Amino acid sequence: DADVTQTPRNRITKTGKRIMLECSQTKGHDRMYWYRQDPGLGLRLIYYSFDVKDINKGEISDGYSVSRQAQAKFSLSLESAIPNQTALYFCATSDFRIAGPDTGELFFGEGSRLTVL
Amino acid sequence: AQSVTQLGSHVSVSEGALVLLRCNYSSSVPPYLFWYVQYPNQGLQLLLKYTSAATLVKGINGFEAEFKKSETSFHLTKPSAHMSDAAEYFCAVSERNTDKLIFGTGTRLQVFP
Repeated sequence: DADVTQTPRNRITKTGKRIMLECSQTKGHDRMYWYRQDPGLGLRLIYYSFDVKDINKGEISDGYSVSRQAQAKFSLSLESAIPNQTALYFCATSDFRIAGPDTGELFFGEGSRLTVL
Repeated sequence: AQSVTQLGSHVSVSEGALVLLRCNYSSSVPPYLFWYVQYPNQGLQLLLKYTSAATLVKGINGFEAEFKKSETSFHLTKPSAHMSDAAEYFCAVSERNTDKLIFGTGTRLQVFP
């Protein structure tokens, strides 16, 4: 089983609909992230959470909200989807310990492809 | 502010040829640097990372990268391309003591027989 699991993997929806993308992890990491990938733009950070009570905006948070339900779960919501939110969304986790073996590394889910018509 | 520039959105090589994917970074403090690979319909997988140990970093699948502070570069190389190397490659930078990564725009590698 994957360490970072995203659901759904694919979703087609209509403009104005509310959409939730879910992420769960079994790595035991405190830190979780949501990125968006668009062709030619790379990955851009939407929101990140360093623990259940610590949630922060990334560079493109407008139109999105998040919820950290537990250490292992981090969901991304689009309250009213619009076509330019059509993208591939990635959840990631990290284990931040200075000089630890995984220092700085992000572990990614397989992505959720969202199409807004 | 940190940033990453990947030169060339597409690179094509013949099987067996040298692979060179370019990455330059901007950071006001010594950075951590990463290369990730994304195969079709998959998430990102770490290829290698530089976190202040040896400047020549060896990764998986025969890839390596060299941190050159004077050139602010972290180019990815592989001596001999294989068909299975066809993928998109992302360079990323983060400040030390933080794991907020800033990604480049990616380079798609095509390998021809």
